[in-house]
Amino acid sequence: QVQLVQSGPEVKRPGDSMKVSCKASGYTFTKYGLSWVRQAPGQGLEWMGWISAHNGNTLYAQKFQGRVTLTTDTSTTTGYMELRDLRSDDAAIYFCARYTSGSQGYYYFFMDVWGKGTTVNVSS
Amino acid sequence: QSILTQPPSASGTPGQRVTMSCSGSNSNIGSNTGNWYQHLPGTAPKLLIYTNDQRPSGVPDRFSGSKSGTSASLSISGLQSEDEAVYFCASWDDSLNAVVFGGGTRLTVL
Repeated sequence: QVQLVQSGPEVKRPGDSMKVSCKASGYTFTKYGLSWVRQAPGQGLEWMGWISAHNGNTLYAQKFQGRVTLTTDTSTTTGYMELRDLRSDDAAIYFCARYTSGSQGYYYFFMDVWGKGTTVNVSS
Repeated sequence: QSILTQPPSASGTPGQRVTMSCSGSNSNIGSNTGNWYQHLPGTAPKLLIYTNDQRPSGVPDRFSGSKSGTSASLSISGLQSEDEAVYFCASWDDSLNAVVFGGGTRLTVL
């Protein structure tokens, strides 16, 4: 079945970097892209960016520009999200999700398969 | 502060119909499409409705979505206890060039 399996929880210190992986299976990896979303404690969902697994094109939310890098490895059907210079407010659950997007006079973008999330704690 | 506005809570009794709203603007729902996700803490969010009113395979037809102007709605008929969850709306925002979410509506089945 189609699934995304994420790496395990991480504990980081302020200023550290983290890299979360997202292993895809059950579908043709390069026909979709991966999007990353996070949820801080008690907060809603926050979109971080997406990467096309077909050509590696990326788009980052302005808030994370310069601090986040999304990559994919098509040989292992795995996506990665690296976030640098961590702060205490980066403590959150990070989700990867397969997305579909397109344009038909309007733009549509939805995430139909999600990983279970990776909990990241940032504390000195 | 979320770009899309959702009421923080909603409730209903088993068998009832509940409708949740999601208010946006011309740069998101008004010019693009709305999606709905169901989220239980500790689990992966689940896509319920995409492009305003489409259901992925496996989602019961008790769940339906609609869009009017700059707002989207999610309706759940025949409410069941297992429907207790947080429901998020989302859309693409042309001005921000980003996916935007609502703050989520926590549904309680009384």
